[in-house]
Amino acid sequence: AQSVTQPDIHITVSEGASLELRCNYSYGATPYLFWYVQSPGQGLQLLLKYFSGDTLVQGIKGFEAEFKRSQSSFNLRKPSVHWSDAAEYFCAVGVSNFGNEKLTFGTGTRLTIIP
Amino acid sequence: DAGVIQSPRHEVTEMGQEVTLRCKPISGHDYLFWYRQTMMRGLELLIYFNNNVPIDDSGMPEDRFSAKMPNASFSTLKIQPSEPRDSAVYFCASSFGTGLAKNIQYFGAGTRLSVL
Repeated sequence: AQSVTQPDIHITVSEGASLELRCNYSYGATPYLFWYVQSPGQGLQLLLKYFSGDTLVQGIKGFEAEFKRSQSSFNLRKPSVHWSDAAEYFCAVGVSNFGNEKLTFGTGTRLTIIP
Repeated sequence: DAGVIQSPRHEVTEMGQEVTLRCKPISGHDYLFWYRQTMMRGLELLIYFNNNVPIDDSGMPEDRFSAKMPNASFSTLKIQPSEPRDSAVYFCASSFGTGLAKNIQYFGAGTRLSVL
């Protein structure tokens, strides 16, 4: 079975600084990988996804993530954070088996932005 | 499209009462998921449906929980009787099962349930 680890429970970053959120996955084949963001009181919104091809994927709100098979990682990055980026971020892995649509989510990383 | 619609947004009830949460998926999506989110356990998948048929209910915590999907545009999650430990935010999500959008789940805004 697949699994996802987000090792950082809480990260604090100054506004304008760069950001990297870590995600490691476990899955025997090529996974589908996702980053979702959850603002307070809201549902989860898809930031970006990796299915195949280029290992550097661009998402909404200026985020990008890089798939590194050798490290089983899919870290999320942003060159300069804005106060509105404060939220909880979830990494998720899906499998490529037809008919298996489950996503396994990590425990999330809460991002705090300081002025 | 209006996205995934959940109702009610907030529900406060007393222990022992029946609670029904509702979800309308995005039109055309053939998968529907119910999740529960708590501080202690994070985001847990309770059950999911494909073409209105339950596929995996292994995450349903106990017999007090039941879910139905009578048609492609409506699903319910019922808790009977409710207990204080059921207090959580319940999310519904839907997705396509094929094509480039496969596996991309779209979430509703959630129902915050408080059982007193």
